[in-house]
Amino acid sequence: NAGVMQNPRHLVRRRGQEARLRCSPMKGHSHVYWYRQLPEEGLKFMVYLQKENIIDESGMPKERFSAEFPKEGPSILRIQQVVRGDSAAYFCASSPRTSGGETQYFGPGTRLLVL
Amino acid sequence: GENVEQHPSTLSVQEGDSAVIKCTYSDSASNYFPWYKQELGKRPQLIIDIRSNVGEKKDQRIAVTLNKTAKHFSLHITETQPEDSAVYFCAALGSNYQLIWGAGTKLIIKP
Repeated sequence: NAGVMQNPRHLVRRRGQEARLRCSPMKGHSHVYWYRQLPEEGLKFMVYLQKENIIDESGMPKERFSAEFPKEGPSILRIQQVVRGDSAAYFCASSPRTSGGETQYFGPGTRLLVL
Repeated sequence: GENVEQHPSTLSVQEGDSAVIKCTYSDSASNYFPWYKQELGKRPQLIIDIRSNVGEKKDQRIAVTLNKTAKHFSLHITETQPEDSAVYFCAALGSNYQLIWGAGTKLIIKP
């Protein structure tokens, strides 16, 4: 059973470009969470999704950021018109959310650098 | 709102000594409390978790205790080793089936 997959692992963008981060959850997991982490800081919740539904996006900036988890394919975190302050590690995690399935399993992260 | 407070933010202990990290949570309905370890440049990884129907759980050198009345839980690492150096995060399951995270503790093991 492959773990949570994220790609790319490293992404370099110039200011104003778009960044697309992908996350494939563990097999059998239908819940995905995206987090952002700045160097030497904690995990900041961004968005929680189920297949085809956004459950909670309270941690995601209203502008330039969007997320989806389609019926088929990976979850996508999209950042439009990136700025230097978007540089961070973005982690996704997945869980099965069955009874006793609250544990979140993390992917390796995508390190975004905005020049 | 729901929150989890974690202390200390940095903990430095001599190799071989014990380390204790404490967290308090606000939502009395929380019933699941995991601990994650994050090494530099790596992903957070679950090291131990506890549910509200038990007061303590052990796994080799790691143990977690839970006091539901006081709404706090602690991570105990005994006989610390250099490879224990990392950032440790506690969390509590909140409403909407989300984990509420502590701010993290940087554990430094001095040789």
